[in-house]
Amino acid sequence: QQPVQSPQAVILREGEDAVINCSSSKALYSVHWYRQKHGEAPVFLMILLKGGEQKGHDKISASFNEKKQQSSLYLTASQLSYSGTYFCGTEIIGNYGQNFVFGPGTRLSVLP
Amino acid sequence: EAEVAQSPRYKITEKSQAVAFWCDPISGHATLYWYRQILGQGPELLVQFQDESVVDDSQLPKDRFSAERLKGVDSTLKIQPAELGDSAMYLCASSIGQGGTAEAFFGQGTRLTVV
Repeated sequence: QQPVQSPQAVILREGEDAVINCSSSKALYSVHWYRQKHGEAPVFLMILLKGGEQKGHDKISASFNEKKQQSSLYLTASQLSYSGTYFCGTEIIGNYGQNFVFGPGTRLSVLP
Repeated sequence: EAEVAQSPRYKITEKSQAVAFWCDPISGHATLYWYRQILGQGPELLVQFQDESVVDDSQLPKDRFSAERLKGVDSTLKIQPAELGDSAMYLCASSIGQGGTAEAFFGQGTRLTVV
């Protein structure tokens, strides 16, 4: 049930772009994106509630392809503060109704 | 700004002992989650409450773990007896919506070390 994230890790230079993908074998009803810095709690970035939806703020945006059961997070002109582990959280219909499960994470390191 | 409160922040316990964690969600948030996060992995859902009712506890090891949210507000997660493999970060989150319809706000977590 856990979604798959790719890549597992990425290293960037400041100002470079990155794409993180999240896909599921089950139908997705919503997708969340969170960022977690080492030793801290995950922090909400954005939520996509329906297929075709795209959202963004600052230089971070995301899309949700309901048919392909996947979402992508786009980070443009990355800043040092973007470093951390990015998790997608997906709402699926599991054995007990609506479940909300997280992916394994993508570790992003932005270097000066 | 409203926050999810968790205590303690850190807990060291010996195996076979009992341990309990407390969570106070953001006021008005009906949904409360307990997650376990092992270092380097994503949060794993242990139990989800909607008000005082358990919505999903399919991943909760019920032989040793228990969770309650008696008045539909704060919640307690208990482990008895603790095992070495229980060492992890235990995160509580709350949401105003059910399932994944609204963002989840996370507390700072309780880092448990079982020795």
